[in-house]
Amino acid sequence: SQQGEEDPQALSIQEGENATMNCSYKTSINNLQWYRQNSGRGLVHLILIRSNEREKHSGRLRVTLDTSKKSSSLLITASRAADTASYFCATREGGSEKLVFGKGMKLTVNP
Amino acid sequence: DADVTQTPRNRITKTGKRIMLECSQTKGHDRMYWYRQDPGLGLRLIYYSFDVKDINKGEISDGYSVSRQAQAKFSLSLESAIPNQTALYFCATSAGFNQPQHFGDGTRLSIL
Repeated sequence: SQQGEEDPQALSIQEGENATMNCSYKTSINNLQWYRQNSGRGLVHLILIRSNEREKHSGRLRVTLDTSKKSSSLLITASRAADTASYFCATREGGSEKLVFGKGMKLTVNP
Repeated sequence: DADVTQTPRNRITKTGKRIMLECSQTKGHDRMYWYRQDPGLGLRLIYYSFDVKDINKGEISDGYSVSRQAQAKFSLSLESAIPNQTALYFCATSAGFNQPQHFGDGTRLSIL
């Protein structure tokens, strides 16, 4: 069953601009994770944010989590052409071992 | 992630054939997972394993079986392949419950 839903489904921006991707989910979660997938490759983990955290940073990435709204956002600042990829949010519900992925969002950064 | 290796990378086969996809890891993780990815559907969990003696069904296990031969090896089998099993298959590992998952580069499987 689908838990996270990324929005927008596709985003095209110029190099240097910021990119914001949103994820909404339906049930209570233990943590929420963001992954990146380059074409033809496996998913790469970006950030994990726990349900008791509101914001995390990693380099040019900033993730926020609002459990009252059941939503998260991923901000990539000063984007680069190399950031072109698909981005997925994934949620872990309660005590479940399963990580449930959204359908993904395609980001294109034009040089 | 070079620490998680999947073989083969590509496979084309015919309906009814038995197929095995293999995954090996050098990360020393106990948890291993098999997912399939279909366009527009994200990733769906097929099976997961906490250790050699612990195998669990995921969301879409029908038509698939797995074997955890060792901590480092987790293979996925399609006993009698059918065309709607055409997809991209990923193996992943994790160090623990609240830890991220590390993915291989996938096997692109086409069933004619």
